[in-house]
Amino acid sequence: DIQMTQSPSTLSASVGDRVTITCRASQSISNWLAWYQQKPGKAPKLLIYKASDLESGVPSRFSGSGSGTEFTLTISSLQPDDFATYYCQQSNSYSLLTFGGGTKVEIK
Amino acid sequence: QLQLQESGPGLVKPSETLSLTCTVSGGSISGSSYHWGWIRQPPGKGLEWIGNKDYTANTHYNPSLKSRGTISVDTSKNQFSLKLSSVTAADTAVYYCARRTAPGNFDYWGQGTLVTVSS
Repeated sequence: DIQMTQSPSTLSASVGDRVTITCRASQSISNWLAWYQQKPGKAPKLLIYKASDLESGVPSRFSGSGSGTEFTLTISSLQPDDFATYYCQQSNSYSLLTFGGGTKVEIK
Repeated sequence: QLQLQESGPGLVKPSETLSLTCTVSGGSISGSSYHWGWIRQPPGKGLEWIGNKDYTANTHYNPSLKSRGTISVDTSKNQFSLKLSSVTAADTAVYYCARRTAPGNFDYWGQGTLVTVSS
């Protein structure tokens, strides 16, 4: 199995801050990585796919980068609506998809 | 706009079979290049991929389920289903159905349904 490790697990930030979340894969996954945002009681929402492609309708303050084993999700200027939990997910292994453990972005 | 909606019992007894259905509206599940899958989330925990069925009828499951899962598609009803046998308390979770795209991510999700395994 490809293990996905996110850091930090919790992040405290203020509105307007630049926020970066890291996701590391246990082996190379090329650019087969997606990022999701999940709010309490809601389904995850796709933000980024193929490591850096922005899903339609997602604000441009969200960006993704990386390839191989290390990836980042950046929120350029944190907005009140962005306080949520973020997950990465690899799809390099076609028949066994795995998610990271999540990063909760809290209000500082 | 594509919409997915899970349905099924919210309470299942240990050792019995969990059965959920996902109804897709706003688009057809047949003849497309998408896969149709299930993801679950135990209370307060992270996401776990259960499995998905693709347009060629190939099905893939998470090995952690130990062959207890079955995903089927009913194109006549525009639905797909999950059956999980021999459930235990560890299978208590919110279950989501979702559409998997070619790059392997999930772009449309149902709202989720909580299934509790308890006697």
